[in-house]
Amino acid sequence: EDQVTQSPEALRLQEGESSSLNCSYTVSGLRGLFWYRQDPGKGPEFLFTLYSAGEEKEKERLKATLTKKESFLHITAPKPEDSATYLCAVQADGYALNFGKGTSLLVTP
Amino acid sequence: KAGVTQTPRYLIKTRGQQVTLSCSPISGHRSVSWYQQTPGQGLQFLFEYFSETQRNKGNFPGRFSGRQFSNSRSEMNVSTLELGDSALYLCASSLSQGDGQAFFGQGTRLTVV
Repeated sequence: EDQVTQSPEALRLQEGESSSLNCSYTVSGLRGLFWYRQDPGKGPEFLFTLYSAGEEKEKERLKATLTKKESFLHITAPKPEDSATYLCAVQADGYALNFGKGTSLLVTP
Repeated sequence: KAGVTQTPRYLIKTRGQQVTLSCSPISGHRSVSWYQQTPGQGLQFLFEYFSETQRNKGNFPGRFSGRQFSNSRSEMNVSTLELGDSALYLCASSLSQGDGQAFFGQGTRLTVV
């Protein structure tokens, strides 16, 4: 059975303090790994798709990387507006997105 | 470009009742997926519709059903509501079937009392 585990569950950073969020997965036939951001009271917002080990994607202060067993979302010099829940999802041959439970990030000034 | 629209935003129902939620996808998107989000279980896949046909189904009881119309709009129905059905129901639209880059609506918050 496909499994997606995100850690830590919650993370508090000071503005400018870089860190990484982890998403470990077990899936047969990975089609893609996706990162989403969810703000309170809103639906998730797409950030990145990674398809194969070694792939990296960047957007502003965020960088996502992928290995055969896990993905990292690196946040460089975060700002308070980066506070949100970050969700990781894997897509296997069945096509449905299987989400982790997310990491709740709080960035304080 | 208008985003995904879900109606209603909030709903309170009594146990045993049924409920219908509506989703209008982004114009041109033909795939609509539904998810249930709860604090304990996170986001769980309910089903995906593409070209008016259910293409994929998650592990939910038959009380949960859906449909898609020819204009790609979708509805989700839950019959015989239980307290445990209280959740945020999210709709996501994609260009094509199985496209993991999905655009989510703001959700319908269902409370069952």
